Amino acid sequence: NAGVTQTPKFQVLKTGQSMTLQCAQDMNHNSMYWYRQDPGMGLRLIYYSASEGTTDKGEVPNGYNVSRLNKREFSLRLESAAPSQTSVYFCASSELVQGYGYTFGSGTRLTVV
Amino acid sequence: AQSVTQLDSHVSVSEGTPVLLRCNYSSSYSPSLFWYVQHPNKGLQLLLKYTSAATLVKGINGFEAEFKKSETSFHLTKPSAHMSDAAEYFCVVSDVSGTYKYIFGTGTRLKVLA
Repeated sequence: NAGVTQTPKFQVLKTGQSMTLQCAQDMNHNSMYWYRQDPGMGLRLIYYSASEGTTDKGEVPNGYNVSRLNKREFSLRLESAAPSQTSVYFCASSELVQGYGYTFGSGTRLTVV
Repeated sequence: AQSVTQLDSHVSVSEGTPVLLRCNYSSSYSPSLFWYVQHPNKGLQLLLKYTSAATLVKGINGFEAEFKKSETSFHLTKPSAHMSDAAEYFCVVSDVSGTYKYIFGTGTRLKVLA
């Protein structure tokens, strides 16, 4: 099915471990985004990639890195996981057109113990 | 800078009664506004969007929202709530700096009572 695919769906990490969250879209969108969702805070932007070859920090980038591997794939890396990074992570894709709207993945639920 | 405020963190309604979820926005430009719904342990689904065309926007599942520039509001309504409407709802404004990043409200959790 067309859309945004995130892997894994669930992950438990120990403090200090590293991992990469994968995101791929097959809609040929230029822009991709990583958000984290925490209770009572809505979704907050971690990093985004307006187009292939570019990445920029969002509202809460500390502790994360990203790679826009190609037009389809945008990965999020936690180099040294901390309990404060326990969250649900959503990837999205879109076009740089006013009002275009995002397509979201189904999310990755990450717990850091 | 753009921002969005959802005025109620929780709303409870009885099945069959109207739903009103309130959202105010702040934007220096003509904004694009969205409502998304998230059912428990699910991703986000677009309900409707406003992009400077008709001010009354109709969405899926009987929801609609009215853009009121004078009040800087974009409230979500539905005439008759259904049990399946129980979910969290997010009001979103799109940044107009050229990257069209989404700015989310903190969400309103809708509870529907039998």
